[in-house]
Amino acid sequence: ELKVEQNPLFLSMQEGKNYTIYCNYSTTSDRLYWYRQDPGKSLESLFVLLSNGAVKQEGRLMASLDTKARLSTLHITAAVHDLSATYFCAVDLHDKLIFGTGTRLQVFP
Amino acid sequence: DVKVTQSSRYLVKRTGEKVFLECVQDMDHENMFWYRQDPGLGLRLIYFSYDVKMKEKGDIPEGYSVSREKKERFSLILESASTNQTSMYLCATTILSNQPQHFGDGTRLSIL
Repeated sequence: ELKVEQNPLFLSMQEGKNYTIYCNYSTTSDRLYWYRQDPGKSLESLFVLLSNGAVKQEGRLMASLDTKARLSTLHITAAVHDLSATYFCAVDLHDKLIFGTGTRLQVFP
Repeated sequence: DVKVTQSSRYLVKRTGEKVFLECVQDMDHENMFWYRQDPGLGLRLIYFSYDVKMKEKGDIPEGYSVSREKKERFSLILESASTNQTSMYLCATTILSNQPQHFGDGTRLSIL
């Protein structure tokens, strides 16, 4: 059974600081997705990582995938308040997505 | 832009009722999914479908069934609602398995 673990579960960080969210998974997969969810809203796709070593960047967010270590990271650079949301990673297992529990990020001044 | 429409944002039903949650997409996607989202548990897959009249069980299908009579519509059915089915339900679609899923706004269902 594939398990997907995210940490931390909660993250409170000051504007301007950097931080990394980690996503570990237990079974081989070479496809991983990151989503963002604002309170009361649905999930929005951020990144699709399709191979070992894949790196994607959008604004202050950068995601990477290491399939050998079964690890993906979501790095936040110089955080701003607008990044406050819950972030989910999801691992593809035979065309089904297994989601992590989410990381709730709060950025304060 | 893909549009995934769920019939209700909020729904309140009573224990034992038969409950229908509807999901409609406008992009001719083959693949459709139903998840439930609970605090601390993330999203868990209930059922999915890769084609009309086709359905596959996800990780937590017990107490649920689905119907896909037309390509654009995927319905989730709670045969006899129970309080432990109180949750946020999310529908998603994708055209290819290596593409991100597009989610509806969700239905917050309360079973009293």
